[in-house]
Amino acid sequence: GDSVTQMEGPVTLSEEAFLTINCTYTATGYPSLFWYVQYPGEGLQLLLKATKADDKGSNKGFEATYRKETTSFHLEKGSVQVSDSAVYFCGFEGGSEKLVFGKGTKLTVNP
Amino acid sequence: DAGVIQSPRHEVTEMGQEVTLRCKPISGHDYLFWYRQTMMRGLELLIYFNNNVPIDDSGMPEDRFSAKMPNASFSTLKIQPSEPRDSAVYFCASIPPGGANEQFFGPGTRLTVL
Repeated sequence: GDSVTQMEGPVTLSEEAFLTINCTYTATGYPSLFWYVQYPGEGLQLLLKATKADDKGSNKGFEATYRKETTSFHLEKGSVQVSDSAVYFCGFEGGSEKLVFGKGTKLTVNP
Repeated sequence: DAGVIQSPRHEVTEMGQEVTLRCKPISGHDYLFWYRQTMMRGLELLIYFNNNVPIDDSGMPEDRFSAKMPNASFSTLKIQPSEPRDSAVYFCASIPPGGANEQFFGPGTRLTVL
């Protein structure tokens, strides 16, 4: 069935380090792909998205590329900041506006 | 613009009591989703509505859970009777018409059942 597998956390990095959070999905067809971010004490908010193969979504220095051949959508940032500390969720459209999410990866960035 | 509004933000209750969680979606949005988040199970979709009509309730864990959407600006999630394993953060989210799947989440209700 439809599912998302993302890198288990927690991930702890120093400020200015490079970040990669891996995400792969199992889905029928070629759904739109998303990364959502959840800051402490808040709901999820859309970070970036890609709607077709080879599209690159980007926002706030984060990037992810829709790789159809590997069914992946890995999240990257070249230089993380303390303010990036949050939980990151990979997901895709599961039909009828429903989203299928991964379990989330908690990122902590230390100064 | 006001975002999705949820109330209460925190709820502590005793096992066996009825709990009602409330959600006001963003005005004009026509889809509404209820999620539950726990450390063990992550984020689970419980039920969602389109134009106030329930579309998929397959995620509702059992008959103790029920959800309604009497109008476009209000939805409730009710647990009766509540159990300790229902302790979680419950989120509501909404999507505008033609919203390209971006869901707007509320701040959540943290429920603790003692």
